[in-house]
Order: sequence, then structure tokens, then C-alpha cells
Amino acid sequence: GDSVTQMEGPVTLSEEAFLTINCTYTATGYPSLFWYVQYPGEGLQLLLKATKADDKGSNKGFEATYRKETTSFHLEKGSVQVSDSAVYFCALISFNKFYFGSGTKLNVKP
Amino acid sequence: ETGVTQTPRHLVMGMTNKKSLKCEQHLGHNAMYWYKQSAKKPLELMFVYNFKEQTENNSVPSRFSPECPNSSHLFLHLHTLQPEDSALYLCASSQAQGNTGELFFGEGSRLTVL
Repeated sequence: GDSVTQMEGPVTLSEEAFLTINCTYTATGYPSLFWYVQYPGEGLQLLLKATKADDKGSNKGFEATYRKETTSFHLEKGSVQVSDSAVYFCALISFNKFYFGSGTKLNVKP
Repeated sequence: ETGVTQTPRHLVMGMTNKKSLKCEQHLGHNAMYWYKQSAKKPLELMFVYNFKEQTENNSVPSRFSPECPNSSHLFLHLHTLQPEDSALYLCASSQAQGNTGELFFGEGSRLTVL
């Protein structure tokens, strides 16, 4: 069945460090891929998305590229800030169903 | 108001109480969802409604009873809950079509069962 696997956390970085959170997926067909972010005490917000192979989603300095050959959608940011501390979820939609990874907590220290 | 609104944001109830969570979406979407988020557990899909019809129920105990009177409103009625039901309950909506469309989430209702 369809599924999303993302790296276990927590990930702890110093401010201005480079961030990568790995995400791989299994899906029949051609899903759309998403990254959601959840700040403390809030719901999930869409961070970025990509709808077809080789698309790059980007928002707030975060980027992820839809790689069909490696079935991956890794999240990257060149220089993280303390305000990026949150839980990040990779997700996909396939045939009207959504699948989420287990979430990766990011802690950014000043 | 815009987006997905959930009330109440916080709820404390005893195991014998009956309460309800409310969700309203102002996005014109055709599908609404309830998710449960517990500490250190993956996000759990509970119920899905498409055009007011329930299309998914992921083996949720009967002490959780959803209601979807129209495409904009979704309720989760709670009765005789257990302490392990304490969690963040997230409502979401989408205009999902095949392999496109994204979920829009509310802020969540934090439930504590004593």
C-alpha cells in the first residue's frame, strides 16, 4: 500500500546551520507530495508541495524536489532560524487518500 | 472568518461527561476529516466525510460519534471517554481530486480526559 517514511527525530541544529529532513514514499500512480509544519500548540500548515516529478516546491527558504527515480522528497533549508523549531510532516495524496509520515521534530538553538 | 475553525480549543472532561467538538470550514471544500494526534504517535485518521457522507471510519471506538450535517460543518460527539483518549483532535478539509489537492487543518482541540 501507499506510505510515507521520514527520518526519526529529534533533529537539533544551531542557528544558521543547513537542514535536511529525509522523506521517501511508496505509491501507485503519480501522487502529489507535501511538507507540512506544526508549530507548538497549533495545527498543521502546508509548507510546500510538488505535483509532478522534478517539480521543486519552495516556501520561506525551504525547498523540496519531487524525485521519482528515488521516490524521495527531502526537505532542505540553507540556514535555519530559531523560529523554524517545529515538527515537520511529509505527506502524499494518492487516489483521494492522504498519507503522512510520523513527523520529525526540529530544535534550533541560538 | 477564513480557513478551518475548531471549537473549543481546549476541553477538559470527566469519563462520564458528554461533550462535542465542532469544526467549520469556509473554503468550499467537499471533504472533511477528523484526525487524532497523541504524544509520540503518528497522526491517526479517524473519519472522512465526502459531500456529507461518511466514506472512512478507521475502526474508531463507538464512544466517538461523528456528525456532518452539511459540507461546511463537522462535529465529533464524545461520551464515556477514557484517559487514553486525551489528545489533540485535528479537523481538516480538502477539495481532493485523485492525486491533487491538499489538506487544510484547523488549530486543533486539545482534549484532556480525567
